[in-house]
Amino acid sequence: AQTVTQSQPEMSVQEAETVTLSCTYDTSENNYYLFWYKQPPSRQMILVIRQEAYKQQNATENRFSVNFQKAAKSFSLKISDSQLGDTAMYFCAFNAGGTSYGKLTFGQGTILTVHP
Amino acid sequence: GAVVSQHPSRVICKSGTSVKIECRSLDFQATTMFWYRQFPKQSLMLMATSNEGSKATYEQGVEKDKFLINHASLTLSTLTVTSAHPEDSSFYICSARTPYGYTFGSGTRLTVV
Repeated sequence: AQTVTQSQPEMSVQEAETVTLSCTYDTSENNYYLFWYKQPPSRQMILVIRQEAYKQQNATENRFSVNFQKAAKSFSLKISDSQLGDTAMYFCAFNAGGTSYGKLTFGQGTILTVHP
Repeated sequence: GAVVSQHPSRVICKSGTSVKIECRSLDFQATTMFWYRQFPKQSLMLMATSNEGSKATYEQGVEKDKFLINHASLTLSTLTVTSAHPEDSSFYICSARTPYGYTFGSGTRLTVV
């Protein structure tokens, strides 16, 4: 079974600064997908970024980038130039790839607060 | 694209009654729908996976007779909470897989009084 661990229950950062959220996972699969989702106070789940395990290049989406270390099974999210709208709960999630549309396994979540 | 519309967003019901939550895929066909439950400041807990035209698969510990899931078409999946009790009060979210990942409904806050 796959597990996803987010060891930081809460984080805070000043506006315009950079923050990194940690995520580790455990799996015996070789082909899989990793995601970071954001859940703001509205509670709508929003995809932030995704990474395919077979791609060595780290995914980036504007101010969001990941540090994917496959051997270490680590998948951290870096948010640059933090904005007040980044305040949310962030979830790291794992999905085994292949031909089956498998379920997502979520980490415990990290509550991020951006201070003005 | 790839939007899942979830209704209602909030519902209050009396103890012992049933409540139905609907999730519709608006611009794609959702072969599989996932149903989650979430408590405040906690992670999403998968309750069940529904596949169009077949019986849902429930996670261990989830009462299938209490949480009835129907996925009768490629665009509609429903979760019915039967004989609701105050402990069923929670936030329920549906999600469907798309070619780009997973898309989520906006959630339903259920309060049982």
